[in-house]
Amino acid sequence: GIQVEQSPPDLILQEGANSTLRCNFSDSVNNLQWFHQNPWGQLINLFYIPSGTKQNGRLSATTVATERYSLLYISSSQTTDSGVYFCAAVIISSGSARQLTFGSGTQLTVLP
Amino acid sequence: DTGVSQDPRHKITKRGQNVTFRCDPISEHNRLYWYRQTLGQGPEFLTYFQNEAQLEKSRLLSDRFSAERPKGSFSTLEIQRTEQGDSAMYLCASSLRSGGTYEQYFGPGTRLTVT
Repeated sequence: GIQVEQSPPDLILQEGANSTLRCNFSDSVNNLQWFHQNPWGQLINLFYIPSGTKQNGRLSATTVATERYSLLYISSSQTTDSGVYFCAAVIISSGSARQLTFGSGTQLTVLP
Repeated sequence: DTGVSQDPRHKITKRGQNVTFRCDPISEHNRLYWYRQTLGQGPEFLTYFQNEAQLEKSRLLSDRFSAERPKGSFSTLEIQRTEQGDSAMYLCASSLRSGGTYEQYFGPGTRLTVT
């Protein structure tokens, strides 16, 4: 079936450490987004990145569409980075032009 | 740009009652989506509107669920005869084609608890 898989499911870091979150998708995509879900449930847009590399401050993301994966890098982590990170994609073979399929998320905990 | 707003933020209802949620998309966004998120899972797609037309519906959207976007602006999601399994966070998102992209922006969600 159509899948978006994220790893690791849980990640605990000391403040200041770097981390890499991975997202694998089962088929070609025409939309891929990374989100941070805060403790109140709000999904915050981090990147729209169906291909290529983008950077925003301490965060950067790379999507290699031909190999069907995306990576989210967090450098010099801070306690405020804690929360759940989701990858979501519109997968072309799903038959839907707009439906985002979400992964199960990575729960990140940054310790002071 | 005030972002996507949803009302109410929390709703507690008894099994068998009907509930209605409202979503106001970002101004001028012509596409609107509803998703549902249960504890520990990623959001799951429910339905999608382009302007006032409902173009896609998930199999998750049972007969008890109905969504409308009558004037192509705000949308409502109604659940009839609620069941305990309907307890979840209901998320609304909107998007506007910009340079060939369809980045979706999410509202704060409505948390439904069915007792």
